[in-house]
Amino acid sequence: AQSVSQHNHHVILSEAASLELGCNYSYGGTVNLFWYVQYPGQHLQLLLKYFSGDPLVKGIKGFEAEFIKSKFSFNLRKPSVQWSDTAEYFCAVISSASKIIFGSGTRLSIRP
Amino acid sequence: SAVISQKPSRDICQRGTSLTIQCQVDSQVTMMFWYRQQPGQSLTLIATANQGSEATYESGFVIDKFPISRPNLTFSTLTVSNMSPEDSSIYLCSVASLSSSTDTQYFGPGTRLTVL
Repeated sequence: AQSVSQHNHHVILSEAASLELGCNYSYGGTVNLFWYVQYPGQHLQLLLKYFSGDPLVKGIKGFEAEFIKSKFSFNLRKPSVQWSDTAEYFCAVISSASKIIFGSGTRLSIRP
Repeated sequence: SAVISQKPSRDICQRGTSLTIQCQVDSQVTMMFWYRQQPGQSLTLIATANQGSEATYESGFVIDKFPISRPNLTFSTLTVSNMSPEDSSIYLCSVASLSSSTDTQYFGPGTRLTVL
């Protein structure tokens, strides 16, 4: 069965620090990968997605993610975080029949 | 991307009652899904809402507890029946329009349910 693992449950950074959130998936076939963000009190929003092509994907608000097939990873990165990046981040993979499997989420707290 | 609205946005209900949540999309979509997000946890898929036929439920979820309707391509309802405090959660509607292999899901704002 497909699964998604996010090993960092809570990450605390200072403003301007660099960010990398880990995401690993288990699935042998072609994958569609996503990062969603949920800001406090708001609904889930799509940050970026990977379907094919360039494994380095750029999303909104300066975020990017790199698909490394050999490592089954799709880590999220941002060179310099801001206080407004405080949110919950979810990695996800599309399973068969378009069902999304979500990771457990990583809570990101930014110290101003 | 599709614009999704849900009603109600939140509700507080008594044990043993039922609540129907509505999901409306501003465009015709192929797939509609219902998820649950319990406090401090990730999202769990409840079911896929199929237009004109019975919903497809995930393991651990049954039609008697979570009846779902989808009368057309832009509207679906989820009912949480015979509620207990364990049903307190955020319920989210999600939609996807398939385009070859590039399907992306978008989420509604959610309905925050508290059962006393």
